Amino acid sequence: NAGVTQTPKFRVLKTGQSMTLLCAQDMNHEYMYWYRQDPGMGLRLIHYSVGEGTTAKGEVPDGYNVSRLKKQNFLLGLESAAPSQTSVYFCASSYQGLDEKLFFGSGTQLSVL
Amino acid sequence: GENVEQHPSTLSVQEGDSAVIKCTYSDSASNYFPWYKQELGKRPQLIIDIRSNVGEKKDQRIAVTLNKTAKHFSLHITETQPEDSAVYFCAASKAGGGNKLTFGTGTQLKVEL
Repeated sequence: NAGVTQTPKFRVLKTGQSMTLLCAQDMNHEYMYWYRQDPGMGLRLIHYSVGEGTTAKGEVPDGYNVSRLKKQNFLLGLESAAPSQTSVYFCASSYQGLDEKLFFGSGTQLSVL
Repeated sequence: GENVEQHPSTLSVQEGDSAVIKCTYSDSASNYFPWYKQELGKRPQLIIDIRSNVGEKKDQRIAVTLNKTAKHFSLHITETQPEDSAVYFCAASKAGGGNKLTFGTGTQLKVEL
C-alpha cells in the first residue's frame, strides 16, 4: 500500500494564481483532512471530510475550498493565492471513529510570492 | 473551540536524561489525546495516545499521563537517545464530528551527545 500520497511536493505561485493540491489514500479510510503547518503554530485544520461527498470547515478555512468526489481522493483548492498561504500543507486520513490514528502524507511546500 | 497549549517550545537534554513535555487543553469534553513525532522534513507520526478513562500509558521508553481534573497531559521520554531529536506535537479531540484533532504548537527536542 502507498498509504497517503500528496501531489505536488513543491510549488511556487504568484499572488492571485490558483492551484489544486491532490491527496489520495488507498487504505479505504472514511475520514480525510487538510492541515497547514507554519513555524511556531503547529498543525491547523483547514477542511475535513467524514465521507465521500461530504466536506466541512476546520479552524482556518478562509481562502481554501475542498472536494471529495471519490472516497480515496481529497482535493484542496486555492482560488486566488495570497502570500499568507505560504505554508507546508499536509493531508491526512483515518478510519472512522475516535482515537483512530491519523496517517499523514509527505507534505506540500507552497510558496506564494 | 478547543485550545491546546504546549510547553516548552524547545527542550535540550543530554543523552540518557529524561524529557518531559506538557500540554493543557480547554474543552472538558475532549477525551482523546495523541502525541505525534515529526522528524526534520518528514511527516508527523503517532507515537502514543491516551483516552480519558486512563490516567497513564507506557510504551517502552515513552509514557503519557493525563490529569482530567486539571485538563493537562504530559509526554515522558526516558533514557533519551539522539534519534529522539524531533518536534513533538500533542493534540486533543472529542467524540463525534470526524475525530478532528487540535494540535499544540510543538516542542523541538534536541538530544545532545
